[in-house]
Amino acid sequence: KQEVTQIPAALSVPEGENLVLNCSFTDSAIYNLQWFRQDPGKGLTSLLLIQSSQREQTSGRLNASLDKSSGRSTLYIAASQPGDSATYLCAVNTGFQKLVFGTGTRLLVSP
Amino acid sequence: NAGVTQTPKFRVLKTGQSMTLLCAQDMNHEYMYWYRQDPGMGLRLIHYSVGEGTTAKGEVPDGYNVSRLKKQNFLLGLESAAPSQTSVYFCASRNDSSHNEQFFGPGTRLTVL
Repeated sequence: KQEVTQIPAALSVPEGENLVLNCSFTDSAIYNLQWFRQDPGKGLTSLLLIQSSQREQTSGRLNASLDKSSGRSTLYIAASQPGDSATYLCAVNTGFQKLVFGTGTRLLVSP
Repeated sequence: NAGVTQTPKFRVLKTGQSMTLLCAQDMNHEYMYWYRQDPGMGLRLIHYSVGEGTTAKGEVPDGYNVSRLKKQNFLLGLESAAPSQTSVYFCASRNDSSHNEQFFGPGTRLTVL
């Protein structure tokens, strides 16, 4: 059974810092991996999608990497801003019409 | 283009009451999903649909029923609500390629007393 773990569960940084969020999964047989952002009381916003054949994807200040063989993905946020404060979720697509989610990293960026 | 919408946004039920949550998408997506999100557990798949007229069970289907009578709508029903069904419910949809991302609605916060 696929399990997804995100470390750390919470992270607090001052504005301007570069930071890395980690996601690990137990079964390397995945179609893709998706990173989401969730603001309090809101839905999920897709940030980046990495296909299983890709190593990384970039969007603005965000860079996500994928190492299938080791079962790991990282989300790198450059020059963090208070507006980046949110919970970040990773989810792996196992096929079989299913996304398996991690429990998220709650990020707080202080001015 | 509204994307994925959900109604209602909030609801409080008493144990034993029934209700239906509505999900609608205007992206002509084939696949639709219902998840629940509970503290410390991440999102878990309740039911899903691979096309109009089809439904299938996900990871936590007990106590829920679904219908997909129209391609754009996916309904989640609770026939007899229980306090354990207090949760935030999210609907999602995606195109018919397994490589495509899922798009999520804003969620419905349900409390069962």
